[in-house]
Amino acid sequence: QKEVEQNSGPLSVPEGAIASLNCTYSDRGSQSFFWYRQYSGKSPELIMSIYSNGDKEDGRFTAQLNKASQYVSLLIRDSQPSDSATYLCAVNTAWGSGNTGKLIFGQGTTLQVKP
Amino acid sequence: DVKVTQSSRYLVKRTGEKVFLECVQDMDHENMFWYRQDPGLGLRLIYFSYDVKMKEKGDIPEGYSVSREKKERFSLILESASTNQTSMYLCASTTTGNYGYTFGSGTRLTVV
Repeated sequence: QKEVEQNSGPLSVPEGAIASLNCTYSDRGSQSFFWYRQYSGKSPELIMSIYSNGDKEDGRFTAQLNKASQYVSLLIRDSQPSDSATYLCAVNTAWGSGNTGKLIFGQGTTLQVKP
Repeated sequence: DVKVTQSSRYLVKRTGEKVFLECVQDMDHENMFWYRQDPGLGLRLIYFSYDVKMKEKGDIPEGYSVSREKKERFSLILESASTNQTSMYLCASTTTGNYGYTFGSGTRLTVV
């Protein structure tokens, strides 16, 4: 069973701090990694994708990937109350001609940013 | 702006009714997915389709069927709705490869 694990939280950080969200995955052959943000009652929204080891930055968001250790993380700098949401980690374990793009999701981490 | 459109935002149905949830995407994506999301259980895959008229069971297909007659449309059918099918239903699509999903806005279904 291919798995993606996240701490459900809630993770509580003060406004302006760095929020660090972590995710581990079981399939060493995984190829692509995604972070989705989901506000309460809404559908998930893709905020970051990462495919190779290292860091990828987009505004206040940085995704970090370490394939040897099988973890991916999301850092949110200068956290704002509007960042309060559930963050879902998703992994695509397929490759080649059989890659339908199907993702395996973690359970999500709830982030609370307090003013 | 690319879109995945789910026909209903909220739906209330009676036990035993046949329920159709519709999903349409305008991105020419090959792959479409239906999930349900419940508190504490995360996203669970019901069915997916990688081509017109093709379908694959996900993790929880019991009590559901799907139809994909056209590339842009993927329908989820609850053959005989039951109260344990009360949930948020999410449709998603993606092109083949490693690009992530685009989700629809979701349908919150209540079966009474």
